[in-house]
Amino acid sequence: EAEVAQSPRYKITEKSQAVAFWCDPISGHATLYWYRQILGQGPELLVQFQDESVVDDSQLPKDRFSAERLKGVDSTLKIQPAELGDSAMYLCASSLAEWASGAQETQYFGPGTRLLVL
Amino acid sequence: AQSVAQPEDQVNVAEGNPLTVKCTYSVSGNPYLFWYVQYPNRGLQFLLKYITGDNLVKGSYGFEAEFNKSQTSFHLKKPSALVSDSALYFCAVGNSGTYKSIFGTGTRLKVLA
Repeated sequence: EAEVAQSPRYKITEKSQAVAFWCDPISGHATLYWYRQILGQGPELLVQFQDESVVDDSQLPKDRFSAERLKGVDSTLKIQPAELGDSAMYLCASSLAEWASGAQETQYFGPGTRLLVL
Repeated sequence: AQSVAQPEDQVNVAEGNPLTVKCTYSVSGNPYLFWYVQYPNRGLQFLLKYITGDNLVKGSYGFEAEFNKSQTSFHLKKPSALVSDSALYFCAVGNSGTYKSIFGTGTRLKVLA
């Protein structure tokens, strides 16, 4: 069964350092999502891609976070510099959804990257 | 604007008893409703969804959910709980005019042997 891959699974860093997370969605899934999940809360959407284009990054702290999906397949989320409040689980998900159609499809989640900023 | 509420932080149920995890929503237009489950240190797994059609939706692992338009609810149910059902459950809502889902804060289900 196809799965969303994420790496690393765990990351410990010091504040002010740079960190990067990688996601490989299920083959053929045009839409890719990055979420941040703080302990005890639901996932919060950071950025959504349709192929290589960003369709929603309204909740992405753009002064320190960046995301790219250059070839419309895998994606990287970067934080620079990391702050203590960035400690969370970072989830990647993908779906078949074509956002312009307005349809909502099931999202398939990767295992997540747990970030701890010291 | 769309929103979703899971009024219970935790639900405890004895193994073999029926379980219900509550979800209410607010959305303009026709809702898209989802339930996901999360096990410790794992990503979310899809359980079921309602887009249109029958109000009772059947999903994975024996779970089902009932869409109630008048009460704007989409409660998750299972006739007989298993200890292995213990996990964190998230309800999510979107609508036909947008492309993203909003997730609830989650309900921790504990099934006691």
